This record gives sequence, C-alpha cells and structure tokens, in this order.
Amino acid sequence: NAGVTQTPKFQVLKTGQSMTLQCAQDMNHNSMYWYRQDPGMGLRLIYYSASEGTTDKGEVPNGYNVSRLNKREFSLRLESAAPSQTSVYFCASSEAEVYEQYFGPGTRLTVT
Amino acid sequence: RKEVEQDPGPFNVPEGATVAFNCTYSNSASQSFFWYRQDCRKEPKLLMSVYSSGNEDGRFTAQLNRASQYISLLIRDSKLSDSATYLCVVNRNDYKLSFGAGTTVTVRA
Repeated sequence: NAGVTQTPKFQVLKTGQSMTLQCAQDMNHNSMYWYRQDPGMGLRLIYYSASEGTTDKGEVPNGYNVSRLNKREFSLRLESAAPSQTSVYFCASSEAEVYEQYFGPGTRLTVT
Repeated sequence: RKEVEQDPGPFNVPEGATVAFNCTYSNSASQSFFWYRQDCRKEPKLLMSVYSSGNEDGRFTAQLNRASQYISLLIRDSKLSDSATYLCVVNRNDYKLSFGAGTTVTVRA
C-alpha cells in the first residue's frame, strides 16, 4: 500500500518552461489536493478536486492548472514557470473534504 | 488576521521533559481540528485529531477550547524522535483545511 505518490521528487526549471507534477493515491479516496509550502508559511491550497470529474480553485491558483484524470490521479501543470513558483509542492488525498488528509512525499521545484 | 496562528518556537527541551504549545484559529464555526507532524524536508503526517472533550494518544494530549478558539498539544516524557515541526490544522467555512505555519520542537539529549 503506497498511499500517495508524487513524481518527480526534484525539478529545476528555467523561467517560461512548463511541466506537469504527477500525483496518484491508492486509498480509494474521493478528494485530492495540491498545496505549496514556502518557508515560514503554512501550506497553501492551489487546487482541489472534491470528487472525480470536479476541480476547483484554492487560495493561490494563478499560474497553475490541474487535471483529475481518474479517481486515483490528480496532476498539476505549470504552463510558464516563474521564479515565484519556486516551492515545495505536496499532493494530498482524503476520504471526503472534512476528513484528515494524507500527503505525498513532495516535489521540490526550483525556477531560475 | 491569519486563519490559524502558531508560535513558531523553537521549543528546546531536554529528553524526558514536558512541552506544550497552542494554536489559535479565527473561524468560530470550525468543526474539524488536527495536529500534524512534519519532519525536516518530509511531508506532513497526521499526529492526531482533536475532539471537543480532549483526547490522548500515548504521550500526546490534545485539548480544544472553543470559547477562546485555541487548540493545545502537550507532549509528555519527550523523546529525541519527537523533534519535528507540529502543524495545527483547522477546517474553514468551505470545509477546506487551513494549516498553521508550525511550531518547531527540538528535544536534546
């Protein structure tokens, strides 16, 4: 039982490049989330998917897009990376929206 | 005002000591409360949910004070392995979770 997996673990991009962060969960959870974590700040919600087929914006959605590919997979895309998007990105899942969330190991992204 | 505020610490304590810290939340309608633990450069992991009556899990005790809108975490008989950042988590009006920036605890031998 792998829980929540994320790829890649590390990535360096140049300004303007694009990339997709992948996330998958094997816990049969309905809800999935993408967060970013910056020093001295709490986790901030970028996008979430309450259930398969739905996605909604969180607190900091600008510069990102998401796809809920199926119940297991939720990807995050940066269309044109900016240095302000340098961060650690965590994917999480939960049985439902108010339940505890389980996190993947994170992707450390640097944009130069 | 931040939705969830925590004293960043660090709290430096010797092994075997008791350490306690609080977090405050702004949304009086919040219903779900959690403490997560995050080790350096790792993902957050659920430590415990916090129930209205307070609850214990081994050496960890969580309390909820709705009137003053704060949650506390107490760690008894601290171990070196308790060194981590502890995140206070509260649900928002839209049922999403708000995360505090964390309280760092360092347990020394």
